[in-house]
Formats: sequence, structure tokens, C-alpha cells
Amino acid sequence: DAGVIQSPRHEVTEMGQEVTLRCKPISGHDYLFWYRQTMMRGLELLIYFNNNVPIDDSGMPEDRFSAKMPNASFSTLKIQPSEPRDSAVYFCASSGDSQETQYFGPGTRLLVL
Amino acid sequence: GESVGLHLPTLSVQEGDNSIINCAYSNSASDYFIWYKQESGKGPQFIIDIRSNMDKRQGQRVTVLLNKTVKHLSLQIAATQPGDSAVYFCAEINSGTYKYIFGTGTRLKVLA
Repeated sequence: DAGVIQSPRHEVTEMGQEVTLRCKPISGHDYLFWYRQTMMRGLELLIYFNNNVPIDDSGMPEDRFSAKMPNASFSTLKIQPSEPRDSAVYFCASSGDSQETQYFGPGTRLLVL
Repeated sequence: GESVGLHLPTLSVQEGDNSIINCAYSNSASDYFIWYKQESGKGPQFIIDIRSNMDKRQGQRVTVLLNKTVKHLSLQIAATQPGDSAVYFCAEINSGTYKYIFGTGTRLKVLA
């Protein structure tokens, strides 16, 4: 298996632009997670899905952030409009069930100028 | 911009020595624990896990110890190698609420 796939690996954009991050979970995994990692806050859970349904989005910073999972093999995290403080590494992870370990993707490094 | 970041505790060990990385967890209801390794520029990678009905679990060169009384988790790495240099995170999970909480991490530096 190729593992969790994320794209793009790097994104540089200007403040106010829309940013879309993409994730393909490991095939057969029912859970998908979006995390943000910064030097200030470490690793933070933003939202997670079970069987394509958002379960807990309490970690989403504000309305500028939205996430979707239209099918079992694809999810997006969108930031609109982006701000410099959104600069971080965004990780997607997936797991087989609630008690299995999460497998992380390589991350998307986002820089908002 | 932000000029102050998380100050990760750093553990420096000589190559070949054993390493012990500690983690204090916060929720007494957490019943599943995982250690992750994160190398520079990569995502966290699973190392070993332990459930709350155990107090010790061994893997290849790694051992996790769980002390529920004081809410403490440790990761022991035997015969530390240069490739072990990374940031290590513990994660606590409440399987009832499925809340995943990550620790801030410890940076391990292996000295040749």
C-alpha cells in the first residue's frame, strides 16, 4: 500500500487566496483525520471523519476552514480566505477503526505570505 | 510574526546507549496510548502502542511502560542509533470519546 497520500507537498500563496489541501487515505480505512502542526501549538486535531461523515470538527479554527470527504478515498481541507497565521504543516491521517493507530501522510507545508 | 515557539525538551544520548523518553498524560479516562516518531520533514510514524490493561509492551529495540497511578508513559530505546534521532510524541486516546491528545514531543539527539 502507498500509505496516506497528500497533495500538494508544498504550497505558497498570498493572503486572501483560497487554498485546497488534498488527502487520499489508506484503502479500507474508515477514519480520516486532519491535523495542523505549528511551532507554537504543536500537533492539533482539526476534524475527523468516520465513513465519510464529519464526526468532530471542534478543532477547526474558524469559518474560514472547511473540510469535505465526498467518498472513501478522498478528502479536502479548504482555507478561504487564507491568512499568514494559517502557515503550518497540515497532516492527514487514517485509521482502520477507532482503536487502531493512525497512519500519517507526509504533510503539506503551507506558507501564506 | 510569531517568534516564540514550543521549546521541545531535548535528550542527547551517545550512540549505543539506551534512551528513555517520558510523557505525562492528562486524562485518567485514556485507555490507549501510542508513541510516534517524527523525523524532520516527515509525518509522525507509529512506533509502539499499549492498552491500559497492560503496564509493559516490548517491540524490536523499543519498550513502552505505562504507570496509570501517576499517569506516566515512557519509551525505552535500546542501543540507540543515529537513525533514532527524531522528535518523539506520545498520544493518549479515550476509546469511548475517541479523543486523541498528542504530547508536545521530545527531541532525541544521538551523538556519534
